[in-house]
Formats: sequence, C-alpha cells, structure tokens
Amino acid sequence: DAKTTQPPSMDCAEGRAANLPCNHSTISGNEYVYWYRQIHSQGPQYIIHGLKNNETNEMASLIITEDRKSSTLILPHATLRDTAVYYCIVSSMEYGNKLVFGAGTILRVKS
Amino acid sequence: DGGITQSPKYLFRKEGQNVTLSCEQNLNHDAMYWYRQDPGQGLRLIYYSQIVNDFQKGDIAEGYSVSREKKESFPLTVTSAQKNPTAFYLCASSIQGGSMGYTFGSGTRLTVV
Repeated sequence: DAKTTQPPSMDCAEGRAANLPCNHSTISGNEYVYWYRQIHSQGPQYIIHGLKNNETNEMASLIITEDRKSSTLILPHATLRDTAVYYCIVSSMEYGNKLVFGAGTILRVKS
Repeated sequence: DGGITQSPKYLFRKEGQNVTLSCEQNLNHDAMYWYRQDPGQGLRLIYYSQIVNDFQKGDIAEGYSVSREKKESFPLTVTSAQKNPTAFYLCASSIQGGSMGYTFGSGTRLTVV
C-alpha cells in the first residue's frame, strides 16, 4: 500500500514557483522523504530527500512539517522542462529496503 | 561517465516468445532493480538483487525471471507465462540496497503483438 498521498495533477505558470504537496501521515521515525520526477518516457530522476530538516539543492527545496506528516517540494522558478510526473516516496535507508512508487503528481508548466 | 544502460530502447516480440531485456551499470552499485510501468501508472517492482548471485521477487514477479552473475549486469527475461507483457521496463541500481541514491536507466518499451 502507498504510504504517501499526492494530488493527481497540478498546473503552474512558467517562471513561478511550483509547490507540490505530499501527505505521509504514517511515516516512521527512521523514514526519509524522497522526491523523484519522471519526464515522459524516461527513467525517474532523483531530486532531493530529507529526514526532518528542510533541504535545498540546485534543483529544488524540500519543506517538511514539524510533525513530519506532510512535506512540500518547491521548484522556485518553474520552466517548461519541469513538466513531469513527480513522485513523493517515504522509505528508510535500511539495507534491503526498496523504493515504492505511487501514481505521483503530474505537473504541467504552462507558458 | 558512469550510468545505467538499458537496451534496446524499443523491442517488439510475437506473443508466446521469451524475450530478454539488458541492463548494465558501471557505477559499482551493489543493488539492482527491475520495475514495470503501464500507461498512466506508477512503477511496480518486478525483481531486485542486493548482491551478486542473489535476487528476490518483487510485487509482480510472475512470468518474469532474472539472473545476477556479474555485479554490472542484471538481465530480465519476460517469459511466455507473463499474460500482459506489453509495458515500459525500467532498470535501476543503488549503492547498498537501501533507499538512497537510485539511478535509473532510460527504459525499454516492450510491445508484444
């Protein structure tokens, strides 16, 4: 069963920030929040991950609520090339764990 | 550059034939995975291997087989027992078999006619 809940689709204007929400109310203390994205007919691409602190890299920012039950991926200045399916996944780093992908959120960036 | 290579990108086979999809990585990753993706769906895990000469079934292993004779290679065979083999197949690898740092290949689109 999926451990995360994401909206099926979102639209964003080019140049604006895209804020993608994810609910993970049953997250365990040792589970990280991962974000991947998949551009049409390509393999998923890692974006960012975090445990409890907010994280930022060259692609995006990840905001995790204090109770860790939800998070938001922020693409600060969305471009047309950011149109993709975005997957929010929770998983621990224990040996043997696998990433389990849900349906994700289709983000459409429009000019 | 290091990465994962899946070949071929497109594959057509007649119904009832077995077909093998190639996945090779030069990242020195221990763990490798095979996922299947149907249109509009997320990825579903078929098989995974955390070390050479060992592999485990994922959620949808029926009709598929794998081998892991070399660290770099994890081929997937789609057998005639797989009732609906037409799909997009993705291979991935990771450092230690945990959730960190998955690298995906570009996929093989299999069409059975």
